[in-house]
Amino acid sequence: AQKVTQAQTEISVVEKEDVTLDCVYETRDTTYYLFWYKQPPSGELVFLIRRNSFDEQNEISGRYSWNFQKSTSSFNFTITASQVVDSAVYFCALSPPSGSARQLTFGSGTQLTVLP
Amino acid sequence: SQTIHQWPATLVQPVGSPLSLECTVEGTSNPNLYWYRQAAGRGLQLLFYSVGIGQISSEVPQNLSASRPQDRQFILSSKKLLLSDSGFYLCAWNLPGVNNSPLHFGNGTRLTVT
Repeated sequence: AQKVTQAQTEISVVEKEDVTLDCVYETRDTTYYLFWYKQPPSGELVFLIRRNSFDEQNEISGRYSWNFQKSTSSFNFTITASQVVDSAVYFCALSPPSGSARQLTFGSGTQLTVLP
Repeated sequence: SQTIHQWPATLVQPVGSPLSLECTVEGTSNPNLYWYRQAAGRGLQLLFYSVGIGQISSEVPQNLSASRPQDRQFILSSKKLLLSDSGFYLCAWNLPGVNNSPLHFGNGTRLTVT
């Protein structure tokens, strides 16, 4: 069975601070995919990144970066120099290699509030 | 480019009344379609998914049903709503035949059953 744990229920930072959102996963699969989605106040979830378990390189996209540590089963997400527009709920998700989205397991989400 | 439309945005319905939520996708053919429910605690629960017209799979037993009358149209229905049906409903799509294709979500419908 798959499990995704986002232990941080809510995080509040002041604008321009860096913030890291934690994601720890459990799976018996040797290969798998990891995702991050953002849910702004408007409601729709927005896809941010997909990572194959074979690729352990960290990824950077603008102010966003992801740290994949297979040894600790973590896929953490860091926002550098946070902005008010980053305020949202962020979801980490896990899927087996052959999975359609029906096999996607979401974490419970982390509410990030960036204060001006 | 592909877009997904979901309506209505909000809905307040009495217990026992019927429900119909609609979702349409533009700019792609034969998408996989999904209905999710997000309860107050933020967890996302997959309700239904469809890989083609008339092909619906239910993930959890419940008071709801889904239909796909056209390739890019997905409808969530209920004959008689329960209080427990309240929540935030999200429609999503992804590419067919591509494992782990990212999901693209609609703006959601907030349903309150009174």
